[in-house]
Amino acid sequence: GESVGLHLPTLSVQEGDNSIINCAYSNSASDYFIWYKQESGKGPQFIIDIRSNMDKRQGQRVTVLLNKTVKHLSLQIAATQPGDSAVYFCAESGNQAGTALIFGKGTTLSVSS
Amino acid sequence: GAVVSQHPSRVICKSGTSVKIECRSLDFQATTMFWYRQFPKQSLMLMATSNEGSKATYEQGVEKDKFLINHASLTLSTLTVTSAHPEDSSFYICSARRAGTHGTEAFFGQGTRLTVV
Repeated sequence: GESVGLHLPTLSVQEGDNSIINCAYSNSASDYFIWYKQESGKGPQFIIDIRSNMDKRQGQRVTVLLNKTVKHLSLQIAATQPGDSAVYFCAESGNQAGTALIFGKGTTLSVSS
Repeated sequence: GAVVSQHPSRVICKSGTSVKIECRSLDFQATTMFWYRQFPKQSLMLMATSNEGSKATYEQGVEKDKFLINHASLTLSTLTVTSAHPEDSSFYICSARRAGTHGTEAFFGQGTRLTVV
């Protein structure tokens, strides 16, 4: 079975709200975690990543939180915009170039104006 | 700009024919590349790990004789879907990882939409 999963398949928010997308992973040996955004017909687009030696990392309007104790990852999007509407995937792997990323199921984020 | 380029972006083929998809790392050498398949409304599923100069490693349930992978150079891996059937219609995506400032980053191609008719 998959080693990474998401708690909710869909999330609907109003424009301007903050969005939180969650992910649970099962491989305690994973030390690299990434959030991707995917729009229809396109490949995954990198959003933000975090290494296992960190518990929080911030980017522009996005924050990733990592809780290794409960093997939980979350993506927070501040002031969500209609352009944020997409499917979001978390992925995990080791930190070596020869290690594949394993993806979770995905959460569809819908932002209404 | 893109660091991993995938071609073609879209292909339609007849059932029984073969289709080749190329994946190139543009400004770095990739001894390992990864091939994923994505069905509608589903996640990316790892199909195989492509190793330069050696045989690919296939995930459980992926037929190696049907999905031929060749990684003849450090910048090119190809996936050939042989004797394609409608159930092979899917979105195929390649990936490569590159050592970065803070560890090993992963890059993805644009994806190939395969439709078998």
